Amino acid sequence: EDKVVQSPLSLVVHEGDTVTLNCSYEVTNFRSLLWYKQEKKAPTFLFMLTSSGIEKKSGRLSSILDKKELSSILNITATQTGDSAIYLCAVEAGGAQKLVFGQGTRLTINP
Amino acid sequence: GAVVSQHPSRVICKSGTSVKIECRSLDFQATTMFWYRQFPKQSLMLMATSNEGSKATYEQGVEKDKFLINHASLTLSTLTVTSAHPEDSSFYICSARDTWLLQETQYFGPGTRLLVL
Repeated sequence: EDKVVQSPLSLVVHEGDTVTLNCSYEVTNFRSLLWYKQEKKAPTFLFMLTSSGIEKKSGRLSSILDKKELSSILNITATQTGDSAIYLCAVEAGGAQKLVFGQGTRLTINP
Repeated sequence: GAVVSQHPSRVICKSGTSVKIECRSLDFQATTMFWYRQFPKQSLMLMATSNEGSKATYEQGVEKDKFLINHASLTLSTLTVTSAHPEDSSFYICSARDTWLLQETQYFGPGTRLLVL
C-alpha cells in the first residue's frame, strides 16, 4: 500500500526562524512529489518535484527531492506569521494520476 | 495557475437527505477529476477518481452507491452524498488537472463543508 509520512506533525517556532519539514514515501511507480500549503480552505500548490537533487525555490520557500532516500524536505527561511498553516506532502504514483497525502505538518509561527 | 470552483462552499442538511456538490474547471478541460474528503485535523483522503464519460473509480472502503459521481462534461464533475448521515459531515474537496498539460499539477477547488444534522 502506498504511504506518505510527514514529520514533525506539529512545529511551533518564533518569527524569523528557519524551519525544515520532512516527507518520506513508499509508493509504487513514483511520478512526482508535491508540496501544498493549507490554511482554512483547500490546499494551495507550492512545488512539484520529479527529479532528484534539483532544488525548487520560491521566495523564502525551497524544496528538494532525494529519490535515493525516498524523501523530500521543505525549507522556509525567515518565517513570518503568515506562514502558519498545515503543509501537506503528496506523492503521485502509478498510472492513475491520483495523489497520496501525508498527514501534514501543522506549523505555527509566533510573533 | 488554473482555477477550480466548487459549489456550494458550505451546506447544512438534515439526516437522510441528499446533497450535491459541483466541481468545475473554469479555464481548462479536465478528463479526470478527483474527490477528496478531509475530517478535522486529518489529511486529505482520496475518495474517487472521476472520469469524463465513464464510471468513476472508487477507493477501497468508499461506497459507490452512497457517493454518486457524475462527470458529464470536460469541465464539470458532481458528487452526490445520498441519504446523508452525521458521520458524513466533512470537508469535501475536488481537484483537476489540465488534460492538455500532462506535466501540470492538480489544482484544488476551495472545498465544500458539509454538516449533517
